[in-house]
Amino acid sequence: AQTVTQSQPEMSVQEAETVTLSCTYDTSENNYYLFWYKQPPSRQMILVIRQEAYKQQNATENRFSVNFQKAAKSFSLKISDSQLGDTAMYFCAFMKHAYTDKLIFGTGTRLQVFP
Amino acid sequence: DGGITQSPKYLFRKEGQNVTLSCEQNLNHDAMYWYRQDPGQGLRLIYYSQIVNDFQKGDIAEGYSVSREKKESFPLTVTSAQKNPTAFYLCASSIEGLYGYTFGSGTRLTVV
Repeated sequence: AQTVTQSQPEMSVQEAETVTLSCTYDTSENNYYLFWYKQPPSRQMILVIRQEAYKQQNATENRFSVNFQKAAKSFSLKISDSQLGDTAMYFCAFMKHAYTDKLIFGTGTRLQVFP
Repeated sequence: DGGITQSPKYLFRKEGQNVTLSCEQNLNHDAMYWYRQDPGQGLRLIYYSQIVNDFQKGDIAEGYSVSREKKESFPLTVTSAQKNPTAFYLCASSIEGLYGYTFGSGTRLTVV
C-alpha cells in the first residue's frame, strides 16, 4: 500500500522569504502522479502543483516549485516570495498512474506567513 | 460555470439518526470521491466511484453508504452505525489522473 508522510506539522515564514515543505512517500509503482494541494481557512482545496513521475524535470507554477527525487521518494514544495495569502494547510498527495484512481494524502503542514 | 456543489454547508444530527450529504457535479467527470477530514489526520477516503452504478469502499467505509445512480450525483449517507461522525466531509471528482481532483467546498457535520 502507498503511504505519504509529511513530517512538519507546522511551519512559519516571513513575507517575501522562501520556505520549503517536505513530503516523502512509499510505493512500489514506477509510474504515478504527485500533487500539492492548498487548503486556506475557507477549507476549499486548491491544486497548487502536480508532477508526473516519469518526467525528470521538476514542475513549476509561478512562485511554487517542487524538488522531485524519485529514487529517494521525496517530493518537497518550495514557495518563493511568500505572501500572506499563502497561509494555509498544505497537503502532499499520491496517485497511481491510471485514468482515475484514489488520491492518498499526507497529514498536512500548516504554514503561517508573517508580515 | 462548472464545478462541484456540496450541500448543506453545515449539518447537525442527533445521535442514532441517519443523514445524507449531497454532492453534485456538472463537470462531466467520470469519477467521484468522498473524503473525511479530521484534525491532524489529513484526508481519508470513505468511498469512490469510477463509473455510474459502481462504487468501491475506501479506507474508512464502515458506517457510511453511497449510491451512484447518475453521473452527476454521488450522495453519502452517514448511518447510525458510524461511531464518531462529527467531521468535515469533502466530495471530489476527476476526469483523468494527471489533472488531480476538483473538490467541493465541504460539509461540516456535527452530532448533537
